[in-house]
Amino acid sequence: GDSVTQTEGQVTVSESKSLIINCTYSATSIGYPNLFWYVRYPGEGLQLLLKVITAGQKGSSRGFEATYNKEATSFHLQKASVQESDSAVYYCALSDQGGSFNKLTFGAGTRLAVCP
Amino acid sequence: DPKIIQKPKYLVAVTGSEKILICEQYLGHNAMYWYRQSAKKPLEFMFSYSYQKLMDNQTASSRFQPQSSKKNHLDLQITALKPDDSATYFCASSQGLGGSSYEQYFGPGTRLTVL
Repeated sequence: GDSVTQTEGQVTVSESKSLIINCTYSATSIGYPNLFWYVRYPGEGLQLLLKVITAGQKGSSRGFEATYNKEATSFHLQKASVQESDSAVYYCALSDQGGSFNKLTFGAGTRLAVCP
Repeated sequence: DPKIIQKPKYLVAVTGSEKILICEQYLGHNAMYWYRQSAKKPLEFMFSYSYQKLMDNQTASSRFQPQSSKKNHLDLQITALKPDDSATYFCASSQGLGGSSYEQYFGPGTRLTVL
């Protein structure tokens, strides 16, 4: 079946430093999956951060970027300069166009702690 | 105002009992979903509904039964509860199912603990 693997556990970054959270995926359908990054801020629900549905394209939101690399089957999340308010849990996810109706397959989540 | 309401926020149950998790969405969406996140595991898809019809069921057990009394409601009934059912259950919704690119909006979750 489909699977998503992302940077495990917690990542600690100092404020204003750069960030990368790795995400690789495996999808069973013949076509290319849609890729997403979701975020859960402390005390809040899961919300979509960005999505890319076309291979080779880049998505961006709130200073975060991720590029859909179909050759490497990767969708790494990057930010040039993190802020303390970025502290949250980040989830990489895919929906397989040939699979279940809108089923999202998630990675395990990466907790980002930004230190002042 | 919250757009997806899940009740209760926390729930403690005894093994063998039955519970219903409530989900209501006020986004005008036509599709709704349930996901589950057990300790140290990724969020796991359970069900998808469209216009109150079951579209996909990826749970192995019939103890989990979604119930849709209205278009914006999708409750989850869990019978014969087991400690392994302890998890946070998330309801989600999207405008539709077509194209697989519709953004899914998630509720805050119900944390279920089975003793």
